Amino acid sequence: EPEVTQTPSHQVTQMGQEVILRCVPISNHLYFYWYRQILGQKVEFLVSFYNNEISEKSEIFDDQFSVERPDGSNFTLKIRSTKLEDSAMYFCASSDRLTSGRFSYNEQFFGPGTRLTVL
Amino acid sequence: KQEVTQIPAALSVPEGENLVLNCSFTDSAIYNLQWFRQDPGKGLTSLLLIQSSQREQTSGRLNASLDKSSGRSTLYIAASQPGDSATYLCAVGQYGNKLVFGAGTILRVKS
Repeated sequence: EPEVTQTPSHQVTQMGQEVILRCVPISNHLYFYWYRQILGQKVEFLVSFYNNEISEKSEIFDDQFSVERPDGSNFTLKIRSTKLEDSAMYFCASSDRLTSGRFSYNEQFFGPGTRLTVL
Repeated sequence: KQEVTQIPAALSVPEGENLVLNCSFTDSAIYNLQWFRQDPGKGLTSLLLIQSSQREQTSGRLNASLDKSSGRSTLYIAASQPGDSATYLCAVGQYGNKLVFGAGTILRVKS
């Protein structure tokens, strides 16, 4: 069964360093997302992406964050200068087309997550 | 701002029992509602998706209902098994493909 994969499973970095989290969405999906879950808190939406551009982003997704689909299979989240409060589990998700347009509103399938620890 | 609340926060039941998990949301302007299962330290597994025009969805022993006007959804699990033990998350789909999550219900099914 197709699934979303994420690498690495755990990333440890020093405050101020740049990190890139990688995701391979389900192959025929067109809509991609990043969410995060700080330990003990709710899962929070960061950004949605379609047709090589951001469709929607949350207040959390500030200038320190960027997303990219560098090739036909990968979807990445970059944090330019990590802060202690960026420590969280980061989930990538993807969905298929339900209707035409930049929003899908179809079922979202999540990857296993990358645990980011900022020291 | 949309707020999603799940009740109860935790639930412990003996194996074989039927159970109901509740989810409520404050803004009825949703596009869909999705139920997930999360095992400790793991990702989210999609269980059911209900579009805003639908009233319920079924998958095996799971049945989810949606009452959009009253801002409520329930997840019914029939004949619970120890393997059902996990955290169950409810998420509503907002404009922009954004899912807004509840805090979850931690379910423990005792054998």
